Amino acid sequence: ETGVTQTPRHLVMGMTNKKSLKCEQHLGHNAMYWYKQSAKKPLELMFVYSLEERVENNSVPSRFSPECPNSSHLFLHLHTLQPEDSALYLCASSQDRGGVVEQYFGPGTRLTVT
Amino acid sequence: AQKITQTQPGMFVQEKEAVTLDCTYDTSDPSYGLFWYKQPSSGEMIFLIYQGSYDQQNATEGRYSLNFQKARKSANLVISASQLGDSAMYFCAMREGMYSGGGADGLTFGKGTHLIIQP
Repeated sequence: ETGVTQTPRHLVMGMTNKKSLKCEQHLGHNAMYWYKQSAKKPLELMFVYSLEERVENNSVPSRFSPECPNSSHLFLHLHTLQPEDSALYLCASSQDRGGVVEQYFGPGTRLTVT
Repeated sequence: AQKITQTQPGMFVQEKEAVTLDCTYDTSDPSYGLFWYKQPSSGEMIFLIYQGSYDQQNATEGRYSLNFQKARKSANLVISASQLGDSAMYFCAMREGMYSGGGADGLTFGKGTHLIIQP
C-alpha cells in the first residue's frame, strides 16, 4: 500500500464531456505529480506541484488543467479530450528536500476517450 | 536522444534464477538519481531501489541490487532468486539536479522491460 489513492480507477468519456481525476496522498509529502502512460511509450511527466504551486508544465495541451488546492490533494480536470488522450494517468508524491528523493505512485486512472 | 534506454523489451527467466535488467542513461548533470520501479498488471508503480550519482557503493534492498557503473552510464537492476511474483514491467528512471538545493522535479522514464518468471 503506497499511501497515494486515485479516483476513479476507470473512466470512459466522450470527447465533449468534462471530467476530473482526483489524487490524494496520505504520506505528508510536499510535492505531487501527474504522469501519462500511453501504450508502448515511456511515462511522460505532465505537471509538477511543489508546496501547492505549479513548478513545471511539460507543454501539455490546455484541455488538461491541473489543480492543487492543498498539499494532500491534486486534481486533473479534463475537457474536450481526443481519442489519443486515452491512457493510464498516474499520480505521484514525494517529500522534496534536496538529494535523492523517491516518488510514490498511486494505482492510476485508466482513461478511455470515445 | 533518449535519456533512459532499456534495451530488453521482454525477458523470460526460470524461477529461482538471478535476473539482470539493463539500463543506460544519458546526462551531463553531475548530480542525478537513478530509480527502478516495478509495475504489475494492476498498473501501480512500485518503488524498488535508487542510486545517487555521488553514492560510492551500489545500492541494495533485499533481493534487489543496483549495479551502478558511472563511467559507462549504466544502472542495471539485479534481482536475486527470482519468484513468480516478480513477473511485471520494470522501469528505470532518472532525476537530474538531485542535489541542487531542493525543489520538486519529475522523473524521466525508460520504455521498460517486461519480465516473465516461469515455474
